[in-house]
Amino acid sequence: QKEVEQDPGPLSVPEGAIVSLNCTYSNSAFQYFMWYRQYSRKGPELLMYTYSSGNKEDGRFTAQVDKSSKYISLFIRDSQPSDSATYLCAMSQGAQKLVFGQGTRLTINP
Amino acid sequence: DARVTQTPRDKVTEMGQEVTMRCQPILGHNTVFWYRQTMMQGLELLAYFRNRAPLDDSGMPKDRFSAEMPDATLATLKIQPSEPRDSAVYFCASGIGQGGTTEAFFGQGTRLTVV
Repeated sequence: QKEVEQDPGPLSVPEGAIVSLNCTYSNSAFQYFMWYRQYSRKGPELLMYTYSSGNKEDGRFTAQVDKSSKYISLFIRDSQPSDSATYLCAMSQGAQKLVFGQGTRLTINP
Repeated sequence: DARVTQTPRDKVTEMGQEVTMRCQPILGHNTVFWYRQTMMQGLELLAYFRNRAPLDDSGMPKDRFSAEMPDATLATLKIQPSEPRDSAVYFCASGIGQGGTTEAFFGQGTRLTVV
C-alpha cells in the first residue's frame, strides 16, 4: 500500500462547477501538506501549502487538512477551463523528502 | 526569473547506452531532488541531496543508476546501461530545506525513451 493515495480520475466537470480533489495518507508523522498543479508536458508547480490541520484559502482555491482522518482536500470554486491539469498532493515530515500522490487528471469543459 | 533548468528536454536512446541527465538548481537552494514520473507509478523519488550530500537514494536502482552533485550548480543523474523500462519523464526539483518543509520547485523534465 502506498503512503499517499489519490484517485487518478480522470475527472471532468462543467465550467463554473466546484471541484473537490482528495488524498488519503497512512503516515501520521506527515506535518506539511501541499498541492501541485501540472500542465501537460510541464513540471509540477506549487499551488498551495498547509502546515498541520486546518484550512487555507487563496483566491478560488481552498486546501483542507484533517489529520485525525489522514485526509486532505483541495477545492476549486468557479472552475475555469484554464484549471484543466493534473493535480498532485504531496506531504512530508519536516525538512524531509516529499511524498506525492499519483495525481488526479482534471478537465473543465467550457 | 529563477527556475530549475534541465537538459536535455527529450532523449531517445538505444537499450544498453549510457544516459546522462543534468540539472541546474535555483541559485541559493540547498536541496535537490530527482523524481521519475510514469503513468502507472506517478512521481517516484529516486534520490535527494542537501548541501550536495546524498540524503536518500533508496528509490534508485543501484546497479544502473547513479546521482551526483559535483558542485552546487549542477546535479546529474546517470543510467548505465539503460533499459526500455527506464522510459519515463525525469524531473529535477530544488528547494530550501531548513527547519520546516522543503517546498520543491520543479524543472521542465527530461523525457527519456529507451528503445
